Amino acid sequence: EADIYQTPRYLVIGTGKKITLECSQTMGHDKMYWYQQDPGMELHLIHYSYGVNSTEKGDLSSESTVSRIRTEHFPLTLESARPSHTSQYLCASRGPQPDTQYFGPGTRLTVL
Amino acid sequence: AQSVTQLDSHVSVSEGTPVLLRCNYSSSYSPSLFWYVQHPNKGLQLLLKYTSAATLVKGINGFEAEFKKSETSFHLTKPSAHMSDAAEYFCVVSVGPSGGSYIPTFGRGTSLIVHP
Repeated sequence: EADIYQTPRYLVIGTGKKITLECSQTMGHDKMYWYQQDPGMELHLIHYSYGVNSTEKGDLSSESTVSRIRTEHFPLTLESARPSHTSQYLCASRGPQPDTQYFGPGTRLTVL
Repeated sequence: AQSVTQLDSHVSVSEGTPVLLRCNYSSSYSPSLFWYVQHPNKGLQLLLKYTSAATLVKGINGFEAEFKKSETSFHLTKPSAHMSDAAEYFCVVSVGPSGGSYIPTFGRGTSLIVHP
């Protein structure tokens, strides 16, 4: 059973607010990922990290930023939320072997 | 380069009938292949994975998939659908040296609808 957590699970917020979506894993995995997913649609990689102090942008351009100061923690921040940021955000981690990614339950963000 | 194509955006079956979700991939190297399931408002759960061992892979909940290199396919099957199988299914391909860095590529997803 994978141990990867995301908080909050649901968030409704007004335009212009700063928000941080939390993701934590207790498996000691080096690689972590953030995906954005609109309802019923595919996943788009927005950020990933190969370890502490490593962050990279993914395929989908995003106004969010991430940090990786600790192995277990990979928060995603939106400095100024907009309605176009309304989506589900999924966090995942992966260890060295096997190749499996483990996903958190997701954060469903609504920006009014 | 790698890519994955899920050939059907929606598959509709009756309860108790077989399920077939199709996935084709392309990869420059020997790939690892995965199927994930996502129930509404949930994260993704691993159903099964192929990592160059047996070509017929058995997963959870009675699902299985067969890796066919000659056809570059990794179709997901189940002999008898259950109502609880209704969900979104994602095929994923990844390549990379063992333990090395890689970015997995997701298919667009197939929505499985199960009728009573």
